[in-house]
Amino acid sequence: DSGVTQTPKHLITATGQRVTLRCSPRSGDLSVYWYQQSLDQGLQFLIQYYNGEERAKGNILERFSAQQFPDLHSELNLSSLELGDSALYFCASSVASTGKGYTFGSGTRLTVV
Amino acid sequence: GENVEQHPSTLSVQEGDSAVIKCTYSDSASNYFPWYKQELGKRPQLIIDIRSNVGEKKDQRIAVTLNKTAKHFSLHITETQPEDSAVYFCAASIGGGYSTLTFGKGTMLLVSP
Repeated sequence: DSGVTQTPKHLITATGQRVTLRCSPRSGDLSVYWYQQSLDQGLQFLIQYYNGEERAKGNILERFSAQQFPDLHSELNLSSLELGDSALYFCASSVASTGKGYTFGSGTRLTVV
Repeated sequence: GENVEQHPSTLSVQEGDSAVIKCTYSDSASNYFPWYKQELGKRPQLIIDIRSNVGEKKDQRIAVTLNKTAKHFSLHITETQPEDSAVYFCAASIGGGYSTLTFGKGTMLLVSP
């Protein structure tokens, strides 16, 4: 167990629908990162939050949004889902002071049918 | 932004052989270079990292080398074992524990007994 908790583990939904993925970072970690992993695209950075504020944005579609709450958990909202949104979505967390790489959660596998 | 290229995309070796995976990065300001191992169906896990003020770092059978002038870094695995079979990702960031990591597309390492 990495200490980063992601729910749900699996999600199957239809095109056009909206889903919410949840991430709880390791205790003490202030930064949360969201990545999308597709078979041919590797790990694509979506968005980063630090202590409740958006810190960096990657190739995140306008249909996607995220937020980090006061208790530091984060949610990634995906709307108007398309077949191409099917992927593994990873959340990771880190502590600013250590300068170390991320710790990843186990991911949410999203299948859009 | 940063761009990380990783080669090869697949690498097959015999047990006991050495394996080398190479990455190049584009942003000369990058100064933190972690490597992650991802086993099938699991989360990426940090296996070793290096900072730009160090040229080489070793941890048992794995080592990472960094050439800042050429902007490339490599992962070396000696005496490979079947349990080393996984996808390996290199990454780069511009320092700090809350900096965004840009990942390479991954190398699938297959170690045959």
